[in-house]
Amino acid sequence: DIQMTQSPASLSASVGDRVTITCRASQYISSYLNWYQQKPGRAPKLLIYAASSLQSGVPSRFSGSGSGTDFTLTISSLQPEDFATYYCQQTYNTLLITFGQGTRLEIK
Amino acid sequence: QVQLQESGPGLVKPSETLSLTCIVSGASISNYYWSWIRQPPGKGLEWIGYIYYSGSTNTNPSLKSRATISVDTSKNQFSLKLTSVTAADTAVYYCARHSGGLASQFDPWGQGILVTVSS
Repeated sequence: DIQMTQSPASLSASVGDRVTITCRASQYISSYLNWYQQKPGRAPKLLIYAASSLQSGVPSRFSGSGSGTDFTLTISSLQPEDFATYYCQQTYNTLLITFGQGTRLEIK
Repeated sequence: QVQLQESGPGLVKPSETLSLTCIVSGASISNYYWSWIRQPPGKGLEWIGYIYYSGSTNTNPSLKSRATISVDTSKNQFSLKLTSVTAADTAVYYCARHSGGLASQFDPWGQGILVTVSS
């Protein structure tokens, strides 16, 4: 299995802050890394695919970077609607797709 | 606009079979992969498996062959069966369109259905 480790597990921040969440893969995954946002009681929503491509309709304050084993999701200026849980996902191993454990972003 | 809707019983007894269906609307089920993902209460996401419209499948080995995914192109839907369920299978089950291949993503997702395993 390719293990995906996110850090931090939880994060408190204020509206307007710049926030970075990291995701590390246990082995090389090229750029086959996606980011999802999940709000309580809702299904996950695709934000970033292929490590750095912004999904249509997603605000430009979200960005992704990285390749190989280390990846980041950055929110340039937090908005109230961004408080949620964020998951990374690898699709390099198409036979066993795995997610990170999630990062909970809370209001400070 | 593609929409997915999960349906099935919300309560299943231990040792029985969980059966869910995902109805796809707004697009043909053809030419895409379709996945099931689950999320135990308060926990993270676990990919269960996917099916291609042609019927080829791949499931998570951690489920020890308990999961079977099937497709019905005539009804534009796909299904999940999970046998010999235990309390550990209690989760919100999501279906999602899966673009397939290496650079794939899950989008869109259904709203999810909570399935509780309890006697």
